[in-house]
Amino acid sequence: EPEVTQTPSHQVTQMGQEVILRCVPISNHLYFYWYRQILGQKVEFLVSFYNNEISEKSEIFDDQFSVERPDGSNFTLKIRSTKLEDSAMYFCASSIQGVGEQYFGPGTRLTVT
Amino acid sequence: QQQVKQSPQSLIVQKGGISIINCAYENTAFDYFPWYQQFPGKGPALLIAIRPDVSEKKEGRFTISFNKSAKQFSLHIMDSQPGDSATYFCAASGTGTASKLTFGTGTRLQVTL
Repeated sequence: EPEVTQTPSHQVTQMGQEVILRCVPISNHLYFYWYRQILGQKVEFLVSFYNNEISEKSEIFDDQFSVERPDGSNFTLKIRSTKLEDSAMYFCASSIQGVGEQYFGPGTRLTVT
Repeated sequence: QQQVKQSPQSLIVQKGGISIINCAYENTAFDYFPWYQQFPGKGPALLIAIRPDVSEKKEGRFTISFNKSAKQFSLHIMDSQPGDSATYFCAASGTGTASKLTFGTGTRLQVTL
């Protein structure tokens, strides 16, 4: 069964460093998302992406964040200058239609020290 | 108005019992209501979903009941098993391209022997 994959599973970085989180969405899906989950809290929407551009972004997704689909399979989230409060699980999701079912990857645990 | 309220925060059910988790929403533009199951350290997994044109949907031991007028929906897990012990999130999304999911705060379910 097709699934969303994410790398790395765990990333430790120092405050102020840049990180890139990578995702490979399900191959025939056209809509891509990033969500984050701070430990013990609910899943929060960051950004949605379709047709090589951002469809919607939340207030969390400030100028320090960017997304890119560099090729036909990968979807990345970049944090330019990490802060302690960026420590969270980051989930990539994809959807075939843009409405309805979204399928989540296993997540990347980002720890900022 | 974008919030989805979920209760209870935690739930302990005996094996074979019925687990019931409730959610309420305010935004009448929501038209898709999924439930996700999350095990520790894993990504949310789509369990079952419903649209407002039906009042109930059943898949195996899992049933969603939907009350459009009350703007509430609930997940019922029949014959609960220890393997069902996980955190359950309700969510909602609206129409429009790349609609984001708005998640509830989660319910930690423990099924005891």
